[in-house]
Amino acid sequence: QVQLVESGGGVVQPGVSLRLSCAASGFTFSRYGLHWVRQAPGKGLEWVAFIRYDGSKNFYADSVKGRFTISRDDYRNTLYLQMNSLSAEDTALYYCVKESGVGEVFPTVFDFWGQGTLVTVSS
Amino acid sequence: QPVLTQSPSASASLGASVKLTCTLSSGHSRYAIAWHQQQPQKGPRFLLKLNRDGSHNKGDGIPDRFSGSRSGDERYLTISSLQFEDEADYYCQTWDTGVVVFGGGTKLTVL
Repeated sequence: QVQLVESGGGVVQPGVSLRLSCAASGFTFSRYGLHWVRQAPGKGLEWVAFIRYDGSKNFYADSVKGRFTISRDDYRNTLYLQMNSLSAEDTALYYCVKESGVGEVFPTVFDFWGQGTLVTVSS
Repeated sequence: QPVLTQSPSASASLGASVKLTCTLSSGHSRYAIAWHQQQPQKGPRFLLKLNRDGSHNKGDGIPDRFSGSRSGDERYLTISSLQFEDEADYYCQTWDTGVVVFGGGTKLTVL
C-alpha cells in the first residue's frame, strides 16, 4: 500500500532554513508527481508546491515562491522541501501528497496523503 | 484562478444523509474538483474526484455511502447513512494550470 512518511520538522527561529523529507513506498515513485500541502494550526489546507514526475518543472504557491524549493531523489524514493527565510507565517503541519495521475505535467488531484511533520517558527 | 467557497459548518443526525456544497467562482463552472476528508487529529484522506461530466472516481476503500454530483457552479458531496466516524472536516479542491486551490472546509457534526 502507498505510504508517505514525512520527517524533518521542528522548532526553528525566524530567518533560518529547514529541509523536510518524505519517504515514499508502495508505488512506482518515478512515475508520479508529488506535492507539499500545509495546514497552519486550526486553519485549512494550503497547497505549497508540486514537482513533476520527472523533476523537469516545479510549481509553487505565491506565498512560498523564491523561498521554498521542492526536489526529489528517485533513487531514494524521497521527496524534499527546502525552506529558507522562514517566518511565523510558515508555522504549519506539512503534508507530503501523491498526485493521482501517472505522468501528470501539471498539478491536479491528490490521492494519498502522509501524516505530516510539524514546523514551528518562533523566536 | 478559481476560488472555492464552502460553508464553515454543517450538521446531520446519525443514520441520515447530508449534502455538502462547494461553489466555484464565476467563470469556472466547468472545473472538476476533488473532495478530501480530515478526521480529528488525522491527516486528510482523498474521497473522490468529481469529473467535468458529473461522474466521479473514488479513492481506495471509500464506502459507497460517499458520492459526488454537480449542478452549474456547485459541486456536492453526499454522505448517506451517516456514522459518527464521518464527523470531520471536508475540503474541496480544484486546479488550474500550475496551481492548486482548496476551499475553506466544512466542519461536519454528526448529532
